[in-house]
Amino acid sequence: NAGVTQTPKFRVLKTGQSMTLLCAQDMNHEYMYWYRQDPGMGLRLIHYSVGEGTTAKGEVPDGYNVSRLKKQNFLLGLESAAPSQTSVYFCASTFSYREKNSPLHFGNGTRLTVT
Amino acid sequence: DAKTTQPTSMDCAEGRAANLPCNHSTISGNEYVYWYRQIHSQGPQYIIHGLKNNETNEMASLIITEDRKSSTLILPHATLRDTAVYYCIVNDMRFGAGTRLTVKP
Repeated sequence: NAGVTQTPKFRVLKTGQSMTLLCAQDMNHEYMYWYRQDPGMGLRLIHYSVGEGTTAKGEVPDGYNVSRLKKQNFLLGLESAAPSQTSVYFCASTFSYREKNSPLHFGNGTRLTVT
Repeated sequence: DAKTTQPTSMDCAEGRAANLPCNHSTISGNEYVYWYRQIHSQGPQYIIHGLKNNETNEMASLIITEDRKSSTLILPHATLRDTAVYYCIVNDMRFGAGTRLTVKP
């Protein structure tokens, strides 16, 4: 049981390049989330998904797209990277936020630098 | 915006209890309070959660006021390894800046 796995762990992009961050969970969780964390700041919600085939915008969705084609995977895409997207990206999952025993399980993060 | 407010930072002496407050005055009747902590730049780690009763597990205790507008996370015997940023969130999964707890020898 690996929990939540994020790939890659590190990446350096040039402005305008594109990339996809992969989040995979093996806990059969329904809900998945993408957050970004800038230095010295808390986590900000980018996008989330309440089930396979569904996605929704969070607090800071601009410049990102997501897809949830399979229940276990949640992809975060940057179509044209900008230096403002330099951050640490965390993925999290849970059964359902409305169920009692349903805390978030986090991955170890992807550190992205855009030059 | 996050639905919770926490102090920016706190200090605690090693071996003493650390009491971290959180205000969630707009919490709805069916929303839970969750606590997480983040050590260095690792992914946040779940600590404890509750609805209206006080809760205790091997890591901490959670005290929720009767009106549910605030709560306190208690680390009964803080160690240096408890130095971290502690986040209090409700069910909407939106994090604020948290409280940076520093445990001092």
